[in-house]
Amino acid sequence: SQQGEEDPQALSIQEGENATMNCSYKTSINNLQWYRQNSGRGLVHLILIRSNEREKHSGRLRVTLDTSKKSSSLLITASRAADTASYFCATVPISSGSARQLTFGSGTQLTVLP
Amino acid sequence: DTGVSQDPRHKITKRGQNVTFRCDPISEHNRLYWYRQTLGQGPEFLTYFQNEAQLEKSRLLSDRFSAERPKGSFSTLEIQRTEQGDSAMYLCASRQIMTRPSEQFFGPGTRLTVL
Repeated sequence: SQQGEEDPQALSIQEGENATMNCSYKTSINNLQWYRQNSGRGLVHLILIRSNEREKHSGRLRVTLDTSKKSSSLLITASRAADTASYFCATVPISSGSARQLTFGSGTQLTVLP
Repeated sequence: DTGVSQDPRHKITKRGQNVTFRCDPISEHNRLYWYRQTLGQGPEFLTYFQNEAQLEKSRLLSDRFSAERPKGSFSTLEIQRTEQGDSAMYLCASRQIMTRPSEQFFGPGTRLTVL
């Protein structure tokens, strides 16, 4: 079963604008990760934030984590047409133990219009 | 290209047939995971290996599914007596547990269509 939900399910913006995606999850986590998936392809890891961190940056990406609300957001600044893809948040629940398998949300489809 | 490869990329089969998929992880990665992704959804965990040992299976992995990683390198996922509900993308991922914690490297997936 999916760990949580992402909001919005779909987002369409103009090139140069910022894109914000939100993720909610259900159980206590070790960390939360964001992945990107181009249509019909595998997933690419973007960024990881640990449960004791509140914000993290990587290039044009900014991730926040609020463990009290069990939510995270991904901000992509100055978007480009090449950012068009599906974005998934994935958690490593504490209950996963040593397995550390990822539990994914349902994803946000981002379309960046040139 | 993440360094994880999967073969075949696409498989079309008739209901009731057996299919086998292969995953070649990044060579120094000791963990290998299988996930299944249906259209419009995120991937769901199926099973994982630590070296050659299969340590956990999801309840999604019915007895028609079997996975192996015989020498701790490549892995195979076999589905026997396929059903239309098995149609999905099957993703493999690997990681090295001693270096980058939790980040997984995904292959391009095998898309299975059961007619």
